[in-house]
Amino acid sequence: SQQGEEDPQALSIQEGENATMNCSYKTSINNLQWYRQNSGRGLVHLILIRSNEREKHSGRLRVTLDTSKKSSSLLITASRAADTASYFCATEPSNFGNEKLTFGTGTRLTIIP
Amino acid sequence: EPEVTQTPSHQVTQMGQEVILRCVPISNHLYFYWYRQILGQKVEFLVSFYNNEISEKSEIFDDQFSVERPDGSNFTLKIRSTKLEDSAMYFCASSEVYRDRVRDNEQFFGPGTRLTVL
Repeated sequence: SQQGEEDPQALSIQEGENATMNCSYKTSINNLQWYRQNSGRGLVHLILIRSNEREKHSGRLRVTLDTSKKSSSLLITASRAADTASYFCATEPSNFGNEKLTFGTGTRLTIIP
Repeated sequence: EPEVTQTPSHQVTQMGQEVILRCVPISNHLYFYWYRQILGQKVEFLVSFYNNEISEKSEIFDDQFSVERPDGSNFTLKIRSTKLEDSAMYFCASSEVYRDRVRDNEQFFGPGTRLTVL
């Protein structure tokens, strides 16, 4: 089984609605980061939440982290057509000296105008 | 806003040829990374680099791969003898890791180089 798994795998909603994506992981982490990827393009960093934080906001984004359940959620409020993309969570492990990110499988979000 | 840049955006090569992918990390960052994403799959870690040496590498990063920081700005990934299965999008990333003495390893990614091995 894999370190990062998002659900749902795909999500389609109407413009203006809220979109919630979930991420689960297996090992202890230092932080969890969310990225957006437009089709075939680069990864855009959205937000980082540290292991000692429970919630973080950035504009229309709200991220929660529950380390006891090893899960995180990304909420995009008032969605726009431009939010159509794949969203990935990535975790940094907690052991010192290990900076690599382990990515999840991604949620493909489609906003219907 | 500073950003990571990568060249070329697309590289086509014949199997067995050497390729060098280039990256310019964000200037005040100290940690550099290469990741790859095979079409339709997850982003996978290849290697991290700090203080002019490899910090960590994955099992994908075998003897065919090498990294180098040839000068103060560039960070390169070399694949010595490309295979068909090396076809993927290769992403460079960089981070400060520590900000104001607090561990804050936001990794910023470049736009990627799409490598196609024929």
